[in-house]
Amino acid sequence: DTAVSQTPKYLVTQMGNDKSIKCEQNLGHDTMYWYKQDSKKFLKIMFSYNNKELIINETVPNRFSPKSPDKAHLNLHINSLELGDSAVYFCASSQDVGRIKETQYFGPGTRLLVL
Amino acid sequence: DQQVKQNSPSLSVQEGRISILNCDYTNSMFDYFLWYKKYPAEGPTFLISISSIKDKNEDGRFTVFLNKSAKHLSLHIVPSQPGDSAVYFCAARYGGATNKLIFGTGTLLAVQP
Repeated sequence: DTAVSQTPKYLVTQMGNDKSIKCEQNLGHDTMYWYKQDSKKFLKIMFSYNNKELIINETVPNRFSPKSPDKAHLNLHINSLELGDSAVYFCASSQDVGRIKETQYFGPGTRLLVL
Repeated sequence: DQQVKQNSPSLSVQEGRISILNCDYTNSMFDYFLWYKKYPAEGPTFLISISSIKDKNEDGRFTVFLNKSAKHLSLHIVPSQPGDSAVYFCAARYGGATNKLIFGTGTLLAVQP
């Protein structure tokens, strides 16, 4: 009964391919996020959606495109994969964005390896 | 430009003793701070938080202290247990309408039995 789930857990692919990572939360939250943790273990925000509206769009290559079909899902599509895209990608969700105490809950991560 | 820094990559503590994990930040616009715990091959798990208007928050064995003038926060775990062995991330939130978090690089805590 996972609160924030991601599929797949592992993804090994060739350079140049296009891949998608899916995220679902069953917490009834309005906001979802994508983070990237690189080889140096930096955990950085990439995107965030609130009620299906994009509210955070950090400086990432436009090969990365998030899509939120509904409030419970936030998918990440990556075109023309490069070696440097190899990382762990975490999805997270929070109840909202405007509350004083707003906690983000993370999924287990998707380990992407580009060969 | 790292706005949230955890200068100790690792810390080793004996079981039963106190663990103190430190975090420094540079941006005075941060209004909320969180600590997350992460086991290998899992996502970060929320541990404890503190608002910028407070200087201490306690939850069981975990206490977070905030020193705004020094732009410094710390997480105290007492007594430390072997199950506490994990990577601990400090995170700071920008005030505003996006709930954007900036994470530190983490400290690996090893609690020795």
